Amino acid sequence: EAQVTQNPRYLITVTGKKLTVTCSQNMNHEYMSWYRQDPGLGLRQIYYSMNVEVTDKGDVPEGYKVSRKEKRNFPLILESPSPNQTSLYFCASTRQGGYNEQFFGPGTRLTVL
Amino acid sequence: DAKTTQPTSMDCAEGRAANLPCNHSTISGNEYVYWYRQIHSQGPQYIIHGLKNNETNEMASLIITEDRKSSTLILPHATLRDTAVYYCIVGISNTGKLIFGQGTTLQVKP
Repeated sequence: EAQVTQNPRYLITVTGKKLTVTCSQNMNHEYMSWYRQDPGLGLRQIYYSMNVEVTDKGDVPEGYKVSRKEKRNFPLILESPSPNQTSLYFCASTRQGGYNEQFFGPGTRLTVL
Repeated sequence: DAKTTQPTSMDCAEGRAANLPCNHSTISGNEYVYWYRQIHSQGPQYIIHGLKNNETNEMASLIITEDRKSSTLILPHATLRDTAVYYCIVGISNTGKLIFGQGTTLQVKP
């Protein structure tokens, strides 16, 4: 089944404790991206990757890192999480940047205390 | 910086057609109209897209006015599982970003 998977789905952590949210797709898509969703602010793009080893900042990249060493994986790294990063995170992928249909993962709900 | 305007919420009776409007008066000639939906905090799901002509797939129909300044998403026989937030999106940025507005919350009622 074609899908985007994220792990963990739920995470409660404390300020400053490094964490990684994994994202994997099995559709051989070149383009992957991360969004966060907050009440009243909608979905905002954090980082995106046009292809392996190519990443770039979205609208809200502060406090996040990403890497794209393999085509299928695009982990989101929070080196020193803070409470304002409490949010619902979505990974998305598509065949190419600008392609019509994007596939979203199920989401990761992160709480930073 | 969403380029669309949608009603905040709508109700629809189960089994009836749900017609969700979207205004996009500043759409450019080469920009597509996309519709996604999000069911209760799940990942957004692609529904349909179109440029000028009306489009239909197994999920929905998309009607775009001749001047392209507005469109309507039609769910022909709404079910309770269609209760969701529906997003009308115009264009994709050159970074591949989808610009989600506030969307329309569709409540399908028995």
